Amino acid sequence: DQQVKQNSPSLSVQEGRISILNCDYTNSMFDYFLWYKKYPAEGPTFLISISSIKDKNEDGRFTVFLNKSAKHLSLHIVPSQPGDSAVYFCAASGSNYQLIWGAGTKLIIKP
Amino acid sequence: KAGVTQTPRYLIKTRGQQVTLSCSPISGHRSVSWYQQTPGQGLQFLFEYFSETQRNKGNFPGRFSGRQFSNSRSEMNVSTLELGDSALYLCASSLGFRGRTEAFFGQGTRLTVV
Repeated sequence: DQQVKQNSPSLSVQEGRISILNCDYTNSMFDYFLWYKKYPAEGPTFLISISSIKDKNEDGRFTVFLNKSAKHLSLHIVPSQPGDSAVYFCAASGSNYQLIWGAGTKLIIKP
Repeated sequence: KAGVTQTPRYLIKTRGQQVTLSCSPISGHRSVSWYQQTPGQGLQFLFEYFSETQRNKGNFPGRFSGRQFSNSRSEMNVSTLELGDSALYLCASSLGFRGRTEAFFGQGTRLTVV
């Protein structure tokens, strides 16, 4: 049973436009959420996180939104750049510290 | 500050052999987690060690085992290798405390079983 779901395996966006990556979770006990970016043959790198006490966190071009009632979070990248092409993973954790990961969404930024 | 170091980077083994992978976490980090990544499967959690104790375990067979040393370095062992074990194995270190679960990943060990 997947507790963290990224339903879009891939997403293609024009350079300069907004990229929106979505993530749904089922466990209401999750209270900390993270987004990671992964290039081929490298380990994932941390992008941005949000605690369940917030509904928005912003860092430069990256903004994460959390809708607890819908158990949904999204990552917005504005404006999208070619270097943003990567696989994006969302992850969630609760009281046992373990990170539960989504399957990833491959973002392709078209020039 | 040195990052997470995984050795070796690449490994080729034959079916039935066993393999040991190593991970050195960021200095001061007490939690080390191991993941298996295969195409289309995302990151599959293997296990997590915190202060030399296994704190969490994923749904992998007993052929996959690990340990953590007093200096927080961790090793992962896979015995009786199968072709399906071919994957990128990633190690992540973190402080390991609630609310501070940002994990830093190594570059991974690419294991190929032939």
